[in-house]
Amino acid sequence: NAGVTQTPKFRILKIGQSMTLQCAQDMNHNYMYWYRQDPGMGLKLIYYSVGAGITDKGEVPNGYNVSRSTTEDFPLRLELAAPSQTSVYFCASSYGGRGDTQYFGPGTRLTVL
Amino acid sequence: QKEVEQNSGPLSVPEGAIASLNCTYSDRGSQSFFWYRQYSGKSPELIMSIYSNGDKEDGRFTAQLNKASQYVSLLIRDSQPSDSATYLCAGGGHGSGNTGKLIFGQGTTLQVKP
Repeated sequence: NAGVTQTPKFRILKIGQSMTLQCAQDMNHNYMYWYRQDPGMGLKLIYYSVGAGITDKGEVPNGYNVSRSTTEDFPLRLELAAPSQTSVYFCASSYGGRGDTQYFGPGTRLTVL
Repeated sequence: QKEVEQNSGPLSVPEGAIASLNCTYSDRGSQSFFWYRQYSGKSPELIMSIYSNGDKEDGRFTAQLNKASQYVSLLIRDSQPSDSATYLCAGGGHGSGNTGKLIFGQGTTLQVKP
């Protein structure tokens, strides 16, 4: 199993550009999450999904959108990139919800200039 | 605002010593707690999970939970230089539904000196 994969690993965007961060898991997990981690900080939840077709906002959803059309994939869309979105983005998945271990992907380091 | 608080450190211990990492949380509804280790430039990986009051041991690691005091800790015995990393405390199970949402602390940086 590849686990949780993310692409790209690194990306530089100009202010106002848009992009999609890709996340996929091959563990047949129902729950998927997007976090951002700013330097020296913990992780903040952006969006999460409890199954295909079901998504909801986390702590810091502004400026982002998600979709979940399949169990495996959970892309994160950034519209009109801003310098405040410079961060490392982690995707995670778990089989169930409360109490289940979340497995993290390797992350995408995004810089907005 | 639901919060998980950690001392950012760095916590420096000599090799072979016990490292004690602490975490407090504000949401009394939190039911599950996790310690993740994160090496610089890498993604978090689970070290321990704990759901009930008391101690839970796994090899050199012991997690402790005190729900009355809203306190979680992680002890690392016989610390090794390879334990040098940032340790993230996370709490979950709060709120309605079974969403799996976690609130993370800012992390404590541990340095184990040879």
